[in-house]
Amino acid sequence: EAQVTQNPRYLITVTGKKLTVTCSQNMNHEYMSWYRQDPGLGLRQIYYSMNVEVTDKGDVPEGYKVSRKEKRNFPLILESPSPNQTSLYFCASSLEGNYGYTFGSGTRLTVV
Amino acid sequence: GIQVEQSPPDLILQEGANSTLRCNFSDSVNNLQWFHQNPWGQLINLFYIPSGTKQNGRLSATTVATERYSLLYISSSQTTDSGVYFCAVEGWDDYKLSFGAGTTVTVRA
Repeated sequence: EAQVTQNPRYLITVTGKKLTVTCSQNMNHEYMSWYRQDPGLGLRQIYYSMNVEVTDKGDVPEGYKVSRKEKRNFPLILESPSPNQTSLYFCASSLEGNYGYTFGSGTRLTVV
Repeated sequence: GIQVEQSPPDLILQEGANSTLRCNFSDSVNNLQWFHQNPWGQLINLFYIPSGTKQNGRLSATTVATERYSLLYISSSQTTDSGVYFCAVEGWDDYKLSFGAGTTVTVRA
């Protein structure tokens, strides 16, 4: 089944403890991206990647890192999480930019 | 960036009713998608529809790109249709989806 898989689905962590949210797609898509969803602010792009080793900032990149060492994987790294990064995170992939996007099931992160 | 406006913000339906959701956008786009966010938070892709008309079961969508709007039709609504419906667009020079604020649909039995 074609899908984008995120892990974990739920995570509660403490301020400053490094964490990684994994994202993997099995559709050989070149384009991958991360969004966060917050009440009143909607969905906003954090980072995106056009291909392996090619990444760029989205609208809200502060406090996040990404890497794209393999085509299928696009992990989101929070080096020192803070409470304002409590959010619902989505990974998405597309055959190229400007085609239909497939979203993962989301990761609900709470930083205390 | 491209502005996306959805209307109405909230919609309460009786089971079996039909409804129309609207999405207006401020610039030309080469990607438009409709999503349904279910109560568990998952974003389900309903349609990829930068132009034209598509149908999938009780749902259909029409995008008139020249007039910068899209419509999502729900017919014979069911309680499982409840949730938030998002319209999202991508401009020709963008590498991201810009989302509207969503329409919250509640279908009552």
